Amino acid sequence: GAGVSQSPSNKVTEKGKDVELRCDPISGHTALYWYRQSLGQGLEFLIYFQGNSAPDKSGLPSDRFSAERTGGSVSTLTIQRTQQEDSAVYLCASSLFPSGLETQYFGPGTRLLVL
Amino acid sequence: AQSVTQLGSHVSVSEGALVLLRCNYSSSVPPYLFWYVQYPNQGLQLLLKYTTGATLVKGINGFEAEFKKSETSFHLTKPSAHMSDAAEYFCAVSGDTGRRALTFGSGTRLQVQP
Repeated sequence: GAGVSQSPSNKVTEKGKDVELRCDPISGHTALYWYRQSLGQGLEFLIYFQGNSAPDKSGLPSDRFSAERTGGSVSTLTIQRTQQEDSAVYLCASSLFPSGLETQYFGPGTRLLVL
Repeated sequence: AQSVTQLGSHVSVSEGALVLLRCNYSSSVPPYLFWYVQYPNQGLQLLLKYTTGATLVKGINGFEAEFKKSETSFHLTKPSAHMSDAAEYFCAVSGDTGRRALTFGSGTRLQVQP
């Protein structure tokens, strides 16, 4: 596709369940980023991939959060044993190269609600 | 370490008036600076960015921003607001050493009154 896509667009889950969020970056983009947007915390960085490796996982809030990227393309963010404070919009972005000056292109986000 | 401060969580202007959204940054390395816009229920769209070179940067939809190193500022302006400019605006900083990801400000919601 032409842009970054994310699925599902909305996800409602019960506290304690696991969820998987998917990101399809722009074709050929080597860097991929996950961010979280919530009312209380604003836009927070979670994790960054360069190819299939994650040089920076410093934003992951707890060990319940993990992410992987396969084939240098699709990425999955997994949240285990979800808590109500995990409710947020999860945004994925990609850039052509892993450089701070590169433009990051954002997907529409996945809105997660934990009941 | 990097940080961004956006003064004013809400700004209201009349249609046709000047738009000024303020952004100050802190960075221990030469910064790369970005302004993104977010329309309701959408992702973020890049308005403009400063990396190196000319300090006055022009972006889409008539917006521009000036990098002022001495003031550590990167304010966003538009001479004449349109109703379609109503959205949330985020200033962000990144660098090529340390964190490559964007560090965002808390955002400014722009309202445009008819």
